[in-house]
Amino acid sequence: KAGVTQTPRYLIKTRGQQVTLSCSPISGHRSVSWYQQTPGQGLQFLFEYFSETQRNKGNFPGRFSGRQFSNSRSEMNVSTLELGDSALYLCASSPHGGDRLNYGYTFGSGTRLTVV
Amino acid sequence: DQQVKQNSPSLSVQEGRISILNCDYTNSMFDYFLWYKKYPAEGPTFLISISSIKDKNEDGRFTVFLNKSAKHLSLHIVPSQPGDSAVYFCAASGYGNQFYFGTGTSLTVIP
Repeated sequence: KAGVTQTPRYLIKTRGQQVTLSCSPISGHRSVSWYQQTPGQGLQFLFEYFSETQRNKGNFPGRFSGRQFSNSRSEMNVSTLELGDSALYLCASSPHGGDRLNYGYTFGSGTRLTVV
Repeated sequence: DQQVKQNSPSLSVQEGRISILNCDYTNSMFDYFLWYKKYPAEGPTFLISISSIKDKNEDGRFTVFLNKSAKHLSLHIVPSQPGDSAVYFCAASGYGNQFYFGTGTSLTVIP
């Protein structure tokens, strides 16, 4: 079955612009989480959506937002981009909202965002 | 504040020898731990997990050890193979569906 699909794979934006990243989870998966990966910081949790509702949110400013659609696809938006937002953004899906014991997540390959 | 720490950014091991990757956590409420492996240009892939009711879980060449009193877990790879060269992340979870990841350890297995 198809894995987690993230688009686009690479993106270059200018400071002050806004960006929208997309994630299509594995078919049947209802939970989608977003992570930011930067060198030296590991994977930092952004937020998690389940059935179109944000259930958990990490410690990121309000410029970072997301949403989930009825088909479980999710988008992440970053407004007023800063140079420090340059990172790999990873999306991960899991089948059941509360089933964290089910091998955690399946990750997509990520979107590499560069802010110049 | 980093709740999950991997203090070794990199590790080099000879092929056939044992690789030991370490991870420390600070939150005593964490009760489920995972290791992920990540190749360049790919997302992390699940490797092995352990719940706090166990102190060891084994899957082929991979064994994870959990020391709850020390809030420490380790991943042992025996024998190490060149294809194991990747970045390894440990992750921890408590109540809820949020996982906290470490900063990763880059493993290089030398042929």
